[in-house]
Amino acid sequence: GENVEQHPSTLSVQEGDSAVIKCTYSDSASNYFPWYKQELGKRPQLIIDIRSNVGEKKDQRIAVTLNKTAKHFSLHITETQPEDSAVYFCAASEGGFKTIFGAGTRLFVKA
Amino acid sequence: DAGVIQSPRHEVTEMGQEVTLRCKPISGHNSLFWYRQTMMRGLELLIYFNNNVPIDDSGMPEDRFSAKMPNASFSTLKIQPSEPRDSAVYFCASSPRQSTDTQYFGPGTRLTVL
Repeated sequence: GENVEQHPSTLSVQEGDSAVIKCTYSDSASNYFPWYKQELGKRPQLIIDIRSNVGEKKDQRIAVTLNKTAKHFSLHITETQPEDSAVYFCAASEGGFKTIFGAGTRLFVKA
Repeated sequence: DAGVIQSPRHEVTEMGQEVTLRCKPISGHNSLFWYRQTMMRGLELLIYFNNNVPIDDSGMPEDRFSAKMPNASFSTLKIQPSEPRDSAVYFCASSPRQSTDTQYFGPGTRLTVL
């Protein structure tokens, strides 16, 4: 079955710097890769997603890249702000209902 | 739309008691997912339904856990008997068609088993 590994588990950056979170997946059939943000005590919420027919997607300060050959995808946050502090989860799905989540990255943005 | 609704938001019970968690998905969504979140194990998929039918319950930890979806607007996750290691936040999520659509999470139920 699918396995998703996420790194790093914790990331601390200075406000204004960039943050990069990386994930690898095992199932070559996976074709959908969402990223969720979970603030303390809140529910996970989708922030961006990418499908396997696209290599990169950007939404304001957030971008995601996908390398299907290497089976890895990354989340890039530029010009980080304190409100970006949260846990970020990557996930992978092969389209058959089941979505497998990574272990999460706790991002701290220091003001 | 009110989003995914879960109840109760918090549940404290004693070991051995039955616990029932409830979920109302977003109207019109065909898929429903139950997740468990702990610090140690992260976000785990327990079971998911499509058109009210359980598709995969391989994530259900043991026979003490059961889930039902009697209609398109309601699902329950039951633990009987509950144990302290079941303490976690349980999320319900729904999506319009299948997992390649965005999953919308409910606020979660924080379960504490003493």
